[in-house]
Amino acid sequence: DAKTTQPNSMESNEEEPVHLPCNHSTISGTDYIHWYRQLPSQGPEYVIHGLTSNVNNRMASLAIAEDRKSSTLILHRATLRDAAVYYCILNTMIRGQGGKLIFGQGTELSVKP
Amino acid sequence: DTGVSQDPRHKITKRGQNVTFRCDPISEHNRLYWYRQTLGQGPEFLTYFQNEAQLEKSRLLSDRFSAERPKGSFSTLEIQRTEQGDSAMYLCASSPNRGGGLTFGSGTRLTVV
Repeated sequence: DAKTTQPNSMESNEEEPVHLPCNHSTISGTDYIHWYRQLPSQGPEYVIHGLTSNVNNRMASLAIAEDRKSSTLILHRATLRDAAVYYCILNTMIRGQGGKLIFGQGTELSVKP
Repeated sequence: DTGVSQDPRHKITKRGQNVTFRCDPISEHNRLYWYRQTLGQGPEFLTYFQNEAQLEKSRLLSDRFSAERPKGSFSTLEIQRTEQGDSAMYLCASSPNRGGGLTFGSGTRLTVV
């Protein structure tokens, strides 16, 4: 499985944007980039995913580098409820494969009031 | 639909006892996954089912662990002769057959004393 690299921790101030980086230099052409987050004492929660183009949804935006070797999850205005561990995961979409997610250590985001 | 349900939420057992956990996925999801998570680590993949077929098992899943998904609906994960090292959060997730993110339950926290 292709590997991702994320900083162990990041800090943000409430109501400011947060940019969470992820490197995935060995990504293959069939790998989607997924982001999940895990709040304390809960299971992981899907945030967003993309292949080549930047993606937006109600939770976040995903900016994907042109060479796809890195991506950034953007939280436009951090709230205290966004404090969580954020996981960047590659998942192949080859038919009959993939589906399972291989989690790394993730980035622990803390948000200061 | 109330999402993915796991039962029990917490389980304390004595070393050497057998335990069984249950997962009820989202009803229209064909795929079901089991993960294990220890403190400070990301979730580790254990096994996954497509309908009633168990398609993949991690090497982490020793012969003391068995998972079933009869009739392709709910799933059970049994651990026989529990050891202290089995203490962890056991997470279940489900997804549609074709793409889409995984929806996780809140997990079952197992403590082996």
